Amino acid sequence: ETGVTQTPRHLVMGMTNKKSLKCEQHLGHNAMYWYKQSAKKPLELMFVYSLEERVENNSVPSRFSPECPNSSHLFLHLHTLQPEDSALYLCASSQALGRQETQYFGPGTRLLVL
Amino acid sequence: AQSVTQLDSQVPVFEEAPVELRCNYSSSVSVYLFWYVQYPNQGLQLLLKYLSGSTLVESINGFEAEFNKSQTSFHLRKPSVHISDTAEYFCAVSAMDSSYKLIFGSGTRLLVRP
Repeated sequence: ETGVTQTPRHLVMGMTNKKSLKCEQHLGHNAMYWYKQSAKKPLELMFVYSLEERVENNSVPSRFSPECPNSSHLFLHLHTLQPEDSALYLCASSQALGRQETQYFGPGTRLLVL
Repeated sequence: AQSVTQLDSQVPVFEEAPVELRCNYSSSVSVYLFWYVQYPNQGLQLLLKYLSGSTLVESINGFEAEFNKSQTSFHLRKPSVHISDTAEYFCAVSAMDSSYKLIFGSGTRLLVRP
């Protein structure tokens, strides 16, 4: 595996379910990100981790819970979601946390909340 | 705070024709500028970026963008497009102060027709 991988690629869940999204980067990077991509809207930054410490929580509801057990893995735990949470969730990584850094994105998990 | 405007949500063009995708930004501080491309069912990939120096930057697949500070623009151009260029293109900025955040536009879908 190379680059940034995400599983599952598609997920359908009910509003009472609990699920987790997984992201893995094989680039040796130290920073990881979660974004939400909704139709016709700009990407929204949700969470940022640097060296496994959370440095950003961009006013995200508590029904989204991130976890970064090591610099290669990032999870997004989901519970009691709402239909408006349906979107493409993208994970990204960068060598370090910096404004010039290129972010490398995974293919995303397309989530549908019923 | 920064914001990015991509005025065109979709740009249809015939193969081998030239194309320009427009991007304007707003910021009270100097910024770095990026173009990302998202092919169907894939994550975002960096196409090109402006950090400093020459205001004209080029990608390996024939795209170029020019930073125009007075017009706060970073338009993306290609003199002759291919069917394979069909994708969603996102303009993004990050501030040169302390922020590591990428602020994205809402994207422009380039549709290349034979």
